Amino acid sequence: NAGVMQNPRHLVRRRGQEARLRCSPMKGHSHVYWYRQLPEEGLKFMVYLQKENIIDESGMPKERFSAEFPKEGPSILRIQQVVRGDSAAYFCASSPTSGEYGYTFGSGTRLTVV
Amino acid sequence: DQQVKQNSPSLSVQEGRISILNCDYTNSMFDYFLWYKKYPAEGPTFLISISSIKDKNEDGRFTVFLNKSAKHLSLHIVPSQPGDSAVYFCAAGAGTASKLTFGTGTRLQVTL
Repeated sequence: NAGVMQNPRHLVRRRGQEARLRCSPMKGHSHVYWYRQLPEEGLKFMVYLQKENIIDESGMPKERFSAEFPKEGPSILRIQQVVRGDSAAYFCASSPTSGEYGYTFGSGTRLTVV
Repeated sequence: DQQVKQNSPSLSVQEGRISILNCDYTNSMFDYFLWYKKYPAEGPTFLISISSIKDKNEDGRFTVFLNKSAKHLSLHIVPSQPGDSAVYFCAAGAGTASKLTFGTGTRLQVTL
């Protein structure tokens, strides 16, 4: 009964490269959320997705960031042309239904942009 | 625009004593509040929650108190144990929306 799986755990990218972060929700969970934690800050909501649908992307930066949750496979958070300010821990969470506030988080992907 | 605030970045408590972590919020639309615990290099783990229709919720050693008029909630841990040493995040949600607004966290250190 695996939890929320995120990979890679650590990702190093040079400025201008693309970063792809993957999240496999818990079995039976069809709702996925992405949060970002900058150093010394709390977690900030980025996007909420269901299978093949973006439900709420109010926390996503307007440019360079995109997310998807295809019918098959993991959810992907994609950051194009990374900059140093993108360095952060990115956490994914999942829940079986919407409104499930006590959802389960993964261990995160720590992105470092050099 | 910090809608959820945890004004104490750190707290040190002796083992066996009570730990009290505080959280303030500004958005009147929040009607659901949660506490998460986070160890280094791990994701946050859900601890306890409270709906705005209640003023107290208890789960074992953990109790959350909500004062709606003051827009303030607190987490009490009693007795505190060394394994409770972690960063604690307060979070809030509104209505049926699934996104949460988190505070900046309080690092709790339980000493022997």
